[in-house]
Amino acid sequence: KQEVTQIPAALSVPEGENLVLNCSFTDSAIYNLQWFRQDPGKGLTSLLLIQSSQREQTSGRLNASLDKSSGRSTLYIAASQPGDSATYLCAVHNTDKLIFGTGTRLQVFP
Amino acid sequence: SAVISQKPSRDICQRGTSLTIQCQVDSQVTMMFWYRQQPGQSLTLIATANQGSEATYESGFVIDKFPISRPNLTFSTLTVSNMSPEDSSIYLCSVGTVSAYEQYFGPGTRLTVT
Repeated sequence: KQEVTQIPAALSVPEGENLVLNCSFTDSAIYNLQWFRQDPGKGLTSLLLIQSSQREQTSGRLNASLDKSSGRSTLYIAASQPGDSATYLCAVHNTDKLIFGTGTRLQVFP
Repeated sequence: SAVISQKPSRDICQRGTSLTIQCQVDSQVTMMFWYRQQPGQSLTLIATANQGSEATYESGFVIDKFPISRPNLTFSTLTVSNMSPEDSSIYLCSVGTVSAYEQYFGPGTRLTVT
């Protein structure tokens, strides 16, 4: 059974820092991995999708990497801003299902 | 990416009643899903909404409690039946692309049961 874990569970940093959020999964037989952002009480916004054949994807200040063999993905946020404060979720696609991680709650203070 | 809307955005309901949540997509999609997010938890898949046939439910979720309809390729409903306080959650619908298995989510419905 696929299990997805995210470390750290919570993170509080000053504005301007570069951040790394970690995601690990137990079954490497995945189609792809998707990173989401969730603001309090809101739905999910898709940030990046990494296909199983890819090693990384970039969008603006965000860079996500994938190492299937070790069951790990990282989300790198450069030059963090207060507007980046949210919960970040990773999710892996097994067959037709998304299996979500536990999330990292990020706070960036001015 | 698809634009997804949900109604209602939030509701407060009494124990024992039922609530139907609507999900509307701006384009035809093959795959639609319903998720639940309990307070402080991550998302759990309730079921896959199949157009023209019965939904496919995940372990721990049953049709009598969470009946789902999907009359066409742009619309689906989820009903939370005979509600109890334990049903207080955010309910989200999502749509998937067949080619890349990428999913997009609606804004969610925040349900509080008193």
